[in-house]
Amino acid sequence: ETGVTQSPTHLIKTRGQQVTLRCSSQSGHNTVSWYQQALGQGPQFIFQYYREEENGRGNFPPRFSGLQFPNYSSELNVNALELDDSALYLCASSQKSSGSTGELFFGEGSRLTVL
Amino acid sequence: AQSVTQLGSHVSVSEGALVLLRCNYSSSVPPYLFWYVQYPNQGLQLLLKYTSAATLVKGINGFEAEFKKSETSFHLTKPSAHMSDAAEYFCAVSPTGGYQKVTFGTGTKLQVIP
Repeated sequence: ETGVTQSPTHLIKTRGQQVTLRCSSQSGHNTVSWYQQALGQGPQFIFQYYREEENGRGNFPPRFSGLQFPNYSSELNVNALELDDSALYLCASSQKSSGSTGELFFGEGSRLTVL
Repeated sequence: AQSVTQLGSHVSVSEGALVLLRCNYSSSVPPYLFWYVQYPNQGLQLLLKYTSAATLVKGINGFEAEFKKSETSFHLTKPSAHMSDAAEYFCAVSPTGGYQKVTFGTGTKLQVIP
């Protein structure tokens, strides 16, 4: 069983730039959720993708966008980076089906620093 | 709407002492409840989950939690702390059915003193 993998693990960008983060979901999972975890905070829900469509969104502006591909992998794109976007970005996969309990399986995260 | 409140951002216990991390939830529908652990510079790992099958839930590494509907609580306990338990712990809630947005608390950092 292959777990959730994220890339890159660390990256540094400057304000105004754009970034793409990637996530491969655990085998057998059809749903991907993205979370932002600022230093010393709990993870904040950005959005979730199910069957290649956005299936719920948290309180994040439109410059945060995503994609899910037919193999259930996913991308998180952030445009016009701001200093406050510096955080650990966590991808979590899960299996959305009848009787599923919403348990999330997390990757190690991508740590983004915006200068 | 759903939320969790974790009481105490930092908890210190001596090695071998009882660990008690507090979590209260708010949910408009019957919830699923989770505890996750995060070690430094790592992602989150599931410790245990409540899915309405049993109110006392046992998880990995000797942790357990009890769902108390009357108190809207889901506190995490371990009888005897080990040095390796030092980490940050997050309580989380999601609604049963529907789309699975999981909402996390702000976390409790556990320090174990030798």
